[in-house]
Amino acid sequence: LAKTTQPISMDSYEGQEVNITCSHNNIATNDYITWYQQFPSQGPRFIIQGYKTKVTNEVASLFIPADRKSSTLSLPRVSLSDTAVYYCLVGEVGANNLFFGTGTRLTVIP
Amino acid sequence: DTEVTQTPKHLVMGMTNKKSLKCEQHMGHRAMYWYKQKAKKPPELMFVYSYEKLSINESVPSRFSPECPNSSLLNLHLHALQPEDSALYLCASSTQVSPSGGYTFGSGTRLTVV
Repeated sequence: LAKTTQPISMDSYEGQEVNITCSHNNIATNDYITWYQQFPSQGPRFIIQGYKTKVTNEVASLFIPADRKSSTLSLPRVSLSDTAVYYCLVGEVGANNLFFGTGTRLTVIP
Repeated sequence: DTEVTQTPKHLVMGMTNKKSLKCEQHMGHRAMYWYKQKAKKPPELMFVYSYEKLSINESVPSRFSPECPNSSLLNLHLHALQPEDSALYLCASSTQVSPSGGYTFGSGTRLTVV
């Protein structure tokens, strides 16, 4: 399983774009990159998943360079409700052993 | 239905009690999971069921006993727990054939062992 490294915490002001980078140097060919968001006392919520280049949905964008050794989750114009822990996970699609890294605690400031 | 439902939401139990946590999903997912999460820590995988069979046990103590009665239900039976077992217990499910969408987690059961 590819290990992931993320910043422990980040602060951002409301309305700004936030970019959270995840390092996964030993990612395997079959691995996808998936990001989850977790609020206190709730289960993690799937945000976005990608394999290469760029993926965008209504919530976020995911940028993956050609070597796939890192990825960046981009949250446009964050609000106070985006304050949460964001986890980057790497693994095969359909693999049934999802392991979480330490995550990044994002705090949005008014 | 796109949810994973966990009951109860909160549970306080003594060290000699026997209790059960329940998890239910009706998304047709054939993989179901139990995770344990301590405060300010990431979720830790405990058990994985695939097609109602236990496929992964992450060296969890025997005082935790999982059960998967059918493809929609997952139980976690608790007996003789210790105070350090107090945590948020999360259930999740996933399809093993979809190329995207990830796992769906429930809101968890907050367990306090006294």
